[in-house]
Amino acid sequence: DTAVSQTPKYLVTQMGNDKSIKCEQNLGHDTMYWYKQDSKKFLKIMFSYNNKELIINETVPNRFSPKSPDKAHLNLHINSLELGDSAVYFCASSLRGAGEGEQYFGPGTRLTVT
Amino acid sequence: DAKTTQPTSMDCAEGRAANLPCNHSTISGNEYVYWYRQIHSQGPQYIIHGLKNNETNEMASLIITEDRKSSTLILPHATLRDTAVYYCIVGSGGSNYKLTFGKGTLLTVNP
Repeated sequence: DTAVSQTPKYLVTQMGNDKSIKCEQNLGHDTMYWYKQDSKKFLKIMFSYNNKELIINETVPNRFSPKSPDKAHLNLHINSLELGDSAVYFCASSLRGAGEGEQYFGPGTRLTVT
Repeated sequence: DAKTTQPTSMDCAEGRAANLPCNHSTISGNEYVYWYRQIHSQGPQYIIHGLKNNETNEMASLIITEDRKSSTLILPHATLRDTAVYYCIVGSGGSNYKLTFGKGTLLTVNP
């Protein structure tokens, strides 16, 4: 069983479209995260949720909106996609609060905006 | 944003110990040192973390200097599957969470 899973694995779409990426963890963790890895391979946190509550919201465009229907799921919706949104997006989870202890990462979603 | 300095790349012979250094001279008292690795394009994988004591688990050992300004990750018997980018990160939890991954060290294990 995959601990942290993401769908889709690849996403190719055109500028201006709206898309969603889904993430699920079956580890019973309280905290989930979204990270973005750009073309230079820097991995930066975007959001973090603890028990469905948003606790970290880094400086990302408000076109990005996370949604956590329950503590096992954290989805990422992106409106009006731009070329610069092309990146690999990783979901992660941790047992304790944000940044405490180890995080478990999903396989990533490679988003390509054309 | 990265608060750590790591060599860009390192080589290691298969079966030998791989020692990966990291400088974090501006680390504050409540910040942990974390090590993750990323194999090819997979999601990062947690390896180990510590505050000030040396730590060991089934994957690696973490040696933190007494002044906490640097650390070394040790893979005791490197295998080809350990070829990856290794990230050293410092950070604390809670609302001040700022775990930012730098460029890391590309470790290549050679046969």
